[in-house]
Amino acid sequence: ILNVEQSPQSLHVQEGDSTNFTCSFPSSNFYALHWYRWETAKSPEALFVMTLNGDEKKKGRISATLNTKEGYSYLYIKGSQPEDSATYLCASHGSGNTGKLIFGQGTTLQVKP
Amino acid sequence: SQTIHQWPATLVQPVGSPLSLECTVEGTSNPNLYWYRQAAGRGLQLLFYSVGIGQISSEVPQNLSASRPQDRQFILSSKKLLLSDSGFYLCAWSVLSGNSLNTEAFFGQGTRLTVV
Repeated sequence: ILNVEQSPQSLHVQEGDSTNFTCSFPSSNFYALHWYRWETAKSPEALFVMTLNGDEKKKGRISATLNTKEGYSYLYIKGSQPEDSATYLCASHGSGNTGKLIFGQGTTLQVKP
Repeated sequence: SQTIHQWPATLVQPVGSPLSLECTVEGTSNPNLYWYRQAAGRGLQLLFYSVGIGQISSEVPQNLSASRPQDRQFILSSKKLLLSDSGFYLCAWSVLSGNSLNTEAFFGQGTRLTVV
């Protein structure tokens, strides 16, 4: 069984604060790590798909890093804005190329203006 | 362009009634297909996934079943719903890129199921 864990479960920050979340996953048989943003009343949308150890990806104020050897990924948001409020999900493909995509419980971010 | 359709958007069903949720994908072929459920206050739980027609992997023993009668059609069913089946159901797809799975998943709009 592939367990993907995220922390914290929820986070409240002020507008302008920078923040980060953690995703941990089994490092054995790692294949790919995904980050998604899920806004209320919408479908989850992909932010990043990462496969290489040490990889770092960036999209605007949001960036992510990946450590496949120790099994964790960080998502960073610089200068949080109210529109960043959402649930952030990470997901991992386990057991190689099987197609199985397992999600963590998510981190719900609330940015106060 | 690729699109995914999931219906219905909301459903209220009595305990013991059958269920059929349908998901179809357009604009791609041989996608991986997924059914997820978000129970109240929890994350996305993988229920079923399929890498091809007639190939279904079940992740959690439960009251539900899935079928893939066509390449781009994925159906979630139950013969008799339980109260615990209530939740938000999401269908998703992804494709192989070359021989890798490092492509993102795309989600439908979801179905809010309430079993009463």
